[in-house]
Order: sequence, then C-alpha cells, then structure tokens
Amino acid sequence: KAGVTQTPRYLIKTRGQQVTLSCSPISGHRSVSWYQQTPGQGLQFLFEYFSETQRNKGNFPGRFSGRQFSNSRSEMNVSTLELGDSALYLCASSLDSPVDEQYFGPGTRLTVT
Amino acid sequence: KQEVTQIPAALSVPEGENLVLNCSFTDSAIYNLQWFRQDPGKGLTSLLLIQSSQREQTSGRLNASLDKSSGRSTLYIAASQPGDSATYLCALMDSNYQLIWGAGTKLIIKP
Repeated sequence: KAGVTQTPRYLIKTRGQQVTLSCSPISGHRSVSWYQQTPGQGLQFLFEYFSETQRNKGNFPGRFSGRQFSNSRSEMNVSTLELGDSALYLCASSLDSPVDEQYFGPGTRLTVT
Repeated sequence: KQEVTQIPAALSVPEGENLVLNCSFTDSAIYNLQWFRQDPGKGLTSLLLIQSSQREQTSGRLNASLDKSSGRSTLYIAASQPGDSATYLCALMDSNYQLIWGAGTKLIIKP
C-alpha cells in the first residue's frame, strides 16, 4: 500500500506570493491533517479535513486555508507569504478520525525569501 | 491549556545501552499518545500509539508506557543501535481532537 505523498518536496517563494501544497493520503483514508514544523515553534496543528469538509482548525491566521477533494486528496494554500511561513509542512492521513493512528508524508519544505 | 514537555532535549549514549525517553503532559483528558521518530530533513515515522485506556504498547525493541494520572509517558529502547539515532517526538490527541506535540529528544547512539 502506498504511503502518504506530498508535492512538491521543496519550494522557494518570495514574500507576498501565494503557494499551494498537495497531499495524497493512503488509499482508504478519509481524514487528512496538516501541520507546520519550524525550529522556533516546533510542530503545530493547522487543520483537519474529512469528507471534503474542514472539521477542525488550529490557531493560524486566515492566510492559511485548505480543501479536500472527493478522492480525499487535500491541498493547503498560503496567501501573502511572510518570511515566518518558512517551514516544513507535513500532511498526515488516518482512517476516519484524527484519533486513529496518523501516518505522515515526507513533507514540503517551503522557503520564503 | 495542554502542554507537552520532553526531557532531555538531547541524549548521547554508547551502542548497546538501554535507554528511556520521557514525555510529560499537563492535562490528563487525552484520547491517545503517539511516539514518532524523525530523521534529519525527513517526515515523521509512527513508532507506537497508546490509547487512553491502555497502559503500554510494545513493538520489537521499543516499549511505550502511559500513566495519565501522573501525566507521563516513557519510551524505552532496548539494546540501542546507531540506526536508532534520530529525534523522538511524543504527541497526544487532546480533547479538541488536535495533536499537541513535544519539542522532541535528539538521540545519538555512538558506535
């Protein structure tokens, strides 16, 4: 069974631009969660999607958004990029609920210059 | 507000030693606790998941325990190997269905 895949793996953007990251969950998994990892703040929960609906959201500004498609694939978007958005963005999938074991993708390394 | 603390932040031990990594949390209202390892520049690999009703889980040389009453979890690694070198993170699912993370313990196993 293929694992969680994330594209692209690396991305360099300039301040003010927007970016879209993609996540394909494990086949059969319907819950997708997104996390941000930075050296200063560590790992923080962004949001969780299930059945094309955002079911939970962490404490991030509205510039961070996401969506989920009918095949459970998910995208997250960051608009008006700031230097502080430079981070490793990790996506995780689980069967039906985030309470189920979460399986992580390799992450997308975003650098904002 | 739930807080997760991992001590020590870094640990270096000779190959072959048994070791214990610690994770403490402030609120016992959790659904589960999960231990992960992260290799440099890589994503997260799930090691063990302990449900709130369980006391421990084992996988190979790894054993994780959970004591909700004291707000503690430990990850025991037996007969450590250089390949165990990584950062180990604990994360718990809180009452808001969000994973709350510790800052990690960076483990180095010296050959």
